[in-house]
Amino acid sequence: DSGVTQTPKHLITATGQRVTLRCSPRSGDLSVYWYQQSLDQGLQFLIQYYNGEERAKGNILERFSAQQFPDLHSELNLSSLELGDSALYFCASSARLAGYTGELFFGEGSRLTVL
Amino acid sequence: AQSVTQPDIHITVSEGASLELRCNYSYGATPYLFWYVQSPGQGLQLLLKYFSGDTLVQGIKGFEAEFKRSQSSFNLRKPSVHWSDAAEYFCAVGSSGTYKYIFGTGTRLKVLA
Repeated sequence: DSGVTQTPKHLITATGQRVTLRCSPRSGDLSVYWYQQSLDQGLQFLIQYYNGEERAKGNILERFSAQQFPDLHSELNLSSLELGDSALYFCASSARLAGYTGELFFGEGSRLTVL
Repeated sequence: AQSVTQPDIHITVSEGASLELRCNYSYGATPYLFWYVQSPGQGLQLLLKYFSGDTLVQGIKGFEAEFKRSQSSFNLRKPSVHWSDAAEYFCAVGSSGTYKYIFGTGTRLKVLA
């Protein structure tokens, strides 16, 4: 158990809908990362937050947004969903900024299926 | 820009055989390098990491990796593979400048009994 909790574990929805994925980092970790894992794209970095502020952005679509709340949990919002958004979405946390580049602790992921 | 390449998408080895998984990175300064393992249905777990110093690093589960700056490589090795090593392996590079943490596309390892 990494200490990172992601909900829901599985989610099935239709095209055009909006979903929210939630992540609770390890106790005390200030940094949260979001990744998308699909069969043809591998593990794609989406966005990173540190203590409530966005610090790095990767290949995140404009239809996607995220935030980190004062209690350090984070949410990834996916809207106007398309079939291609079907993937496993991982959250990871670390103690400090990526500048420290220590270990990332991963949750078990949220599997999104768009029909 | 940071990038990581894992040239082998799939590798199959027999149990007891040696293993080497390749990783090449692109980064302007000294990179921070990592290997993670993902078992089916699980999140990723750190195997080992390189920040500086000795270029041969030891990790968990009997894995080791060697940093070769001249070849921009950080290959993962294990002298004798066990059936439980079947999983997907990811190489990653971190940056102190961009705050990004980039993963390769992964290598899926199959172990034959």
